[in-house]
Amino acid sequence: EVQLVESGGGLVKPGGSLRLSCAASGFTFSSYSMNWVRQAPGKGLEWVSSISSSSSYIYYADSVKGRFTISRDNAKNSLYLQMNSLRAEDTAVYYCASYVWGSRYFDYWGQGTLVTVSS
Amino acid sequence: QSALTQPPSASGSPGQSVTISCTGTSSDVGGYNYVSWYQQHPGKAPKLMIYEVSKRPSGVPDRFSGSKSGNTASLTVSGLQAEDEADYYCSSYAGSNRGFGGGTKLTVL
Repeated sequence: EVQLVESGGGLVKPGGSLRLSCAASGFTFSSYSMNWVRQAPGKGLEWVSSISSSSSYIYYADSVKGRFTISRDNAKNSLYLQMNSLRAEDTAVYYCASYVWGSRYFDYWGQGTLVTVSS
Repeated sequence: QSALTQPPSASGSPGQSVTISCTGTSSDVGGYNYVSWYQQHPGKAPKLMIYEVSKRPSGVPDRFSGSKSGNTASLTVSGLQAEDEADYYCSSYAGSNRGFGGGTKLTVL
């Protein structure tokens, strides 16, 4: 069974930092592109960042470029999101999602971790 | 970023059919057959319902179908059931970005 389990969310002050993790199991993690997608309270889905299977290709949404860094450790079946210079508008549930590159869709999603940026 | 337009709401009675649209441009929806649809119940993670415009993953009922015409993709839910009430999001490949539509809240009356 495929499982994606996010962790690392919590309450942080504006300007602060947080590191999210996503532990993957049940599939060949090293063969999949991975993404972070977020959802602000009561709002829609917003793609945040993507990393290819070998970390060769990395992309960010304009809203987080220069502040967030995506990375992965295939030996540990883990995905990460380092978030710096956090703003109130970064408050959201953050989901990790696997991505089928050949067909361009998100197939499996974690349950999400809540990040709240507030003083 | 991708800017896909969906109607904020849609509704239908049990047993009826409802169609949700997703309008993009020739740079995303119209340019590739890589439109996908996701269902999200309150407090839950999104679930893949349709990929490559009209393909259903294993386990998704055949009441759900997808299509595309020009720059607009559509998700049709036939034979509406109470459990279909949820938010639905479209997504389309657009180069390095992976945007989503704004979402449509489907209400089963």
